[in-house]
Amino acid sequence: SQTIHQWPATLVQPVGSPLSLECTVEGTSNPNLYWYRQAAGRGLQLLFYSVGIGQISSEVPQNLSASRPQDRQFILSSKKLLLSDSGFYLCAWSAVEGTQYFGPGTRLTVL
Amino acid sequence: DQQVKQNSPSLSVQEGRISILNCDYTNSMFDYFLWYKKYPAEGPTFLISISSIKDKNEDGRFTVFLNKSAKHLSLHIVPSQPGDSAVYFCAARRGSTLGRLYFGRGTQLTVWP
Repeated sequence: SQTIHQWPATLVQPVGSPLSLECTVEGTSNPNLYWYRQAAGRGLQLLFYSVGIGQISSEVPQNLSASRPQDRQFILSSKKLLLSDSGFYLCAWSAVEGTQYFGPGTRLTVL
Repeated sequence: DQQVKQNSPSLSVQEGRISILNCDYTNSMFDYFLWYKKYPAEGPTFLISISSIKDKNEDGRFTVFLNKSAKHLSLHIVPSQPGDSAVYFCAARRGSTLGRLYFGRGTQLTVWP
């Protein structure tokens, strides 16, 4: 069966520091991969999605970037965090045009 | 532009009764709809979906109804249980968009004993 992992589970970072969140999927090949953010009291905002290695689409211009160095690995990064980057970050995968399945999430607090 | 809207941020229901969560959408090109359930500090879990060629889909206590003419769908939970207390997200997809989902802002369901 397929599983999706995210780490770290929680992270507290100072403003201006870099960020790297990792997501890996097991049990499937060539998945579509997604990064979402849920800010406090808000819905799910799609940040990036990828349909293959090195293929990244950005939904919202911002302080963040994403990379997909391997088929089942998706990384969310920032060079300099802002206070507004705080939130709950979720990775998801789907088969092509299928239902999305979410990871456990990373709680990021920027101080 | 919010293409999927959940206009009720919260709903409170007594245990054993029916919970009805509503969702409206604006894009007539959406052809597949999903409901997710989310507990605090966890990722959303997939609940149930419906294709635009159907108007109803049932899975145990959960039923989703789709009214394409009104661009409206609803999730019915019968009977409601305290463990159903969570945030419920409605999502929609267009077949041509490689799986991209458009989410509503969610409805917090509280089921009290």
